[in-house]
Amino acid sequence: NAGVTQTPKFQVLKTGQSMTLQCAQDMNHEYMSWYRQDPGMGLRLIHYSVGAGITDQGEVPNGYNVSRSTTEDFPLRLLSAAPSQTSVYFCASRETGVDEQFFGPGTRLTVL
Amino acid sequence: QKEVEQDPGPLSVPEGAIVSLNCTYSNSAFQYFMWYRQYSRKGPELLMYTYSSGNKEDGRFTAQVDKSSKYISLFIRDSQPSDSATYLCAPRGDTGRRALTFGSGTRLQVQP
Repeated sequence: NAGVTQTPKFQVLKTGQSMTLQCAQDMNHEYMSWYRQDPGMGLRLIHYSVGAGITDQGEVPNGYNVSRSTTEDFPLRLLSAAPSQTSVYFCASRETGVDEQFFGPGTRLTVL
Repeated sequence: QKEVEQDPGPLSVPEGAIVSLNCTYSNSAFQYFMWYRQYSRKGPELLMYTYSSGNKEDGRFTAQVDKSSKYISLFIRDSQPSDSATYLCAPRGDTGRRALTFGSGTRLQVQP
């Protein structure tokens, strides 16, 4: 099993550009989520999904969109990138009813 | 005030030392307490999981929760250079969503 995979590993954007961060898992987990990690701030939840077709907002959803058309994939879209979105983004998944989350390797995003 | 506070470190210790990593929280609804370990440029991985107050031991690691003082500790015995990582505490309340609140992490360096 590959676990949770994320692409790209690194990305540099200009202010106002849009892009999609990809996340996939092969563990058949219903629950998937996106976090951002900033120095001194810990991991903050952006959006999450409890299953295909169901998404909801986390703590810091503004400027991001998600969709969940399949169990495996959970892409995160930046609509119009801003320097404040410079961060490391982690995707995670877990089984329903279980606390352990499995994280991907992260995407380092810089917005100039 | 953040809901979960951790000293960012870095905490530098010699190989073989006993390490104490600590976390305080303000939300009395937290019932489940997790420690995640994050190696440099990797995603976090679950290290320890405890419920309510008390101790839990797993090999060289012991997690301790004192709900009366809202204080969480992780002890590492016989620390190894491979323990060098950032340790994130992540408590959660007793809700169906199982949303975690992550601390910002303490960076540990074990010197050989």
